[in-house]
Amino acid sequence: AQSVSQHNHHVILSEAASLELGCNYSYGGTVNLFWYVQYPGQHLQLLLKYFSGDPLVKGIKGFEAEFIKSKFSFNLRKPSVQWSDTAEYFCAVLPGGGADGLTFGKGTHLIIQP
Amino acid sequence: DTAVSQTPKYLVTQMGNDKSIKCEQNLGHDTMYWYKQDSKKFLKIMFSYNNKELIINETVPNRFSPKSPDKAHLNLHINSLELGDSAVYFCASSQHSGWAAYEQYFGPGTRLTVT
Repeated sequence: AQSVSQHNHHVILSEAASLELGCNYSYGGTVNLFWYVQYPGQHLQLLLKYFSGDPLVKGIKGFEAEFIKSKFSFNLRKPSVQWSDTAEYFCAVLPGGGADGLTFGKGTHLIIQP
Repeated sequence: DTAVSQTPKYLVTQMGNDKSIKCEQNLGHDTMYWYKQDSKKFLKIMFSYNNKELIINETVPNRFSPKSPDKAHLNLHINSLELGDSAVYFCASSQHSGWAAYEQYFGPGTRLTVT
């Protein structure tokens, strides 16, 4: 079975700082990778996804992520964070062709201080 | 238009009761899901369902049962509620066919509190 590890459970940054959230997965086959964001009291929204092709994917709100197959990683980055980026961030994996739901990491709680 | 909707948004009930949470999607997707988010924000798949197949996470107690009256709906019925069932439950949908898998769209969640 697949699993996802997010190494940073709580991250506190100042506005304009650069962000990188780590995500590693374990699965031997083809995977689809996702980053979701959950703002306080809201539902999950898709930030970006990787299915195939260019391993550097760009998402909404200035976020990007890089898929490094050799490292089983899919780290999320943003060059300059804003206070409104305060939220919970989830990395998720879906095995290729899988219909049995996303496997999520435990999430990273990001706090941006003004 | 809301893509994936859930009712109710909040549900407070007592131990031992039976309750249902409804989910509807208007995206024309063929696969729907239920996830549970615990108090530590950890999200875990409970069920995925399309017209052909129900996949159940083996850790889900059999007190939980999904019911799909049609392709656009996947309701979650819970029998004999326990304190540990308190959580936020999210419905999601996606289009899944063959080896193609697309992103899942999530509903707003239902916060269940069992007292």
